[in-house]
Amino acid sequence: GAGVSQSPSNKVTEKGKDVELRCDPISGHTALYWYRQSLGQGLEFLIYFQGNSAPDKSGLPSDRFSAERTGGSVSTLTIQRTQQEDSAVYLCASSGDRGGELFFGEGSRLTVL
Amino acid sequence: GIQVEQSPPDLILQEGANSTLRCNFSDSVNNLQWFHQNPWGQLINLFYIPSGTKQNGRLSATTVATERYSLLYISSSQTTDSGVYFCAVYNNNDMRFGAGTRLTVKP
Repeated sequence: GAGVSQSPSNKVTEKGKDVELRCDPISGHTALYWYRQSLGQGLEFLIYFQGNSAPDKSGLPSDRFSAERTGGSVSTLTIQRTQQEDSAVYLCASSGDRGGELFFGEGSRLTVL
Repeated sequence: GIQVEQSPPDLILQEGANSTLRCNFSDSVNNLQWFHQNPWGQLINLFYIPSGTKQNGRLSATTVATERYSLLYISSSQTTDSGVYFCAVYNNNDMRFGAGTRLTVKP
C-alpha cells in the first residue's frame, strides 16, 4: 500500500473484553513496530518484528498483550481482558530494513470503559 | 539501552520567530529521525538524518554523530508548526524516542 494502514481508527470497548488492532505496513517493508501513546505522553515501545526473526517483545506491558505478524506483512496486536489503563492510541510503524526510515500509520484510538 | 534526551520540553513562540530544538543521545546510532506530531496526533516524517545537514523549506536539521546530538531548526515559525517534535534514534535493533518538545506558536 501507499502508506501504513491501521484499523480500526477508533475502538470503544468494555473492561474485560478482548480487542484486536490491525496494521498493514508499507508493501515490502520488513520491519514493523507497535507503540502506545497515552494522552499527552510520549511513545512507549511495545514490540518489533524484523523479517523472519523472532520478535522483540520486551516492551509488552503484561501477558494480556500479544502480537503476531503473518506472512511477514500484516500484524495484529491483541489485548485480552482489557483494563481502563489500556486506553491509549496504538501506533504502528514500518521501515524497509533495520534502521531504515520509519513511517507511521494514523493510529488506533482505544477507549476502555 | 540508548538514552535520548530532548530539549527544551516546552517552547512558546510568537509567529515569525525562529527556534532550535535539540536531541542528545548516549551512544552511537545508525539512524536518526525527526517527527512532527500535529494536534490531530498524526506523526509526520521531517528528516531522516543519521549525519550531516538537510533542509526542507523553513526547516533544517543537523546531526553531529561524533558528538551525539542533533538539532532541528525552525525559521519564520507559523501557527501550523505547533505540536510535538520527536527525535528517534536507532541503535543495535533498538529504536528509541525522546520525550519530545511541545511547541506552541502564537499568532
